[in-house]
Amino acid sequence: AQSVSQHNHHVILSEAASLELGCNYSYGGTVNLFWYVQYPGQHLQLLLKYFSGDPLVKGIKGFEAEFIKSKFSFNLRKPSVQWSDTAEYFCAVNAGGYNKLIFGAGTRLAVHP
Amino acid sequence: EAGVAQSPRYKIIEKRQSVAFWCNPISGHATLYWYQQILGQGPKLLIQFQNNGVVDDSQLPKDRFSAERLKGVDSTLKIQPAKLEDSAVYLCASSLSKGVSSYNEQFFGPGTRLTVL
Repeated sequence: AQSVSQHNHHVILSEAASLELGCNYSYGGTVNLFWYVQYPGQHLQLLLKYFSGDPLVKGIKGFEAEFIKSKFSFNLRKPSVQWSDTAEYFCAVNAGGYNKLIFGAGTRLAVHP
Repeated sequence: EAGVAQSPRYKIIEKRQSVAFWCNPISGHATLYWYQQILGQGPKLLIQFQNNGVVDDSQLPKDRFSAERLKGVDSTLKIQPAKLEDSAVYLCASSLSKGVSSYNEQFFGPGTRLTVL
């Protein structure tokens, strides 16, 4: 069965620190990969996505993610976090028809000023 | 563009009671999804509709959960009777998807937080 693993459940950083959140998935075929973000009190929204092509994808608010097929990974990065990046981040994979998404358990990020 | 609407936003019930949630997707979106998000976990798909037909309900506990999407627009999700372990946020999402092979972004509503006492 398809699954998504996020390595860190809670991350605490100071402003300007660099961020990397790990995501691994299990599926042997073609996948579409996503990072969603949920800011406090808000709904889930798409941060970035990978379908094909350049494995380094850029999203909103300075976030980027790298797809490494050989490692089944899609890690999220940001060179310098801000307090406003405090949120919960979910990695998700779409593998198969009908648009189905499988989500990881999420990583709760707290950024201190 | 109006987003996905859900109501109520919060609901507290006692176990064995019934509850219903409502979702209005983005206009023109053919596909509608209901997810369950238990505290500390990611969203888990319960059921997916393509227009008013069910395309995936493999993880829906059918002995107590039911969902319908009459006329291919609004949808309701019902739990009858509720158990303590049903406490979660129930998310509705919609997308433009109209076929098996194409992927379209899912847009999420604010969710309904259910507490079962």
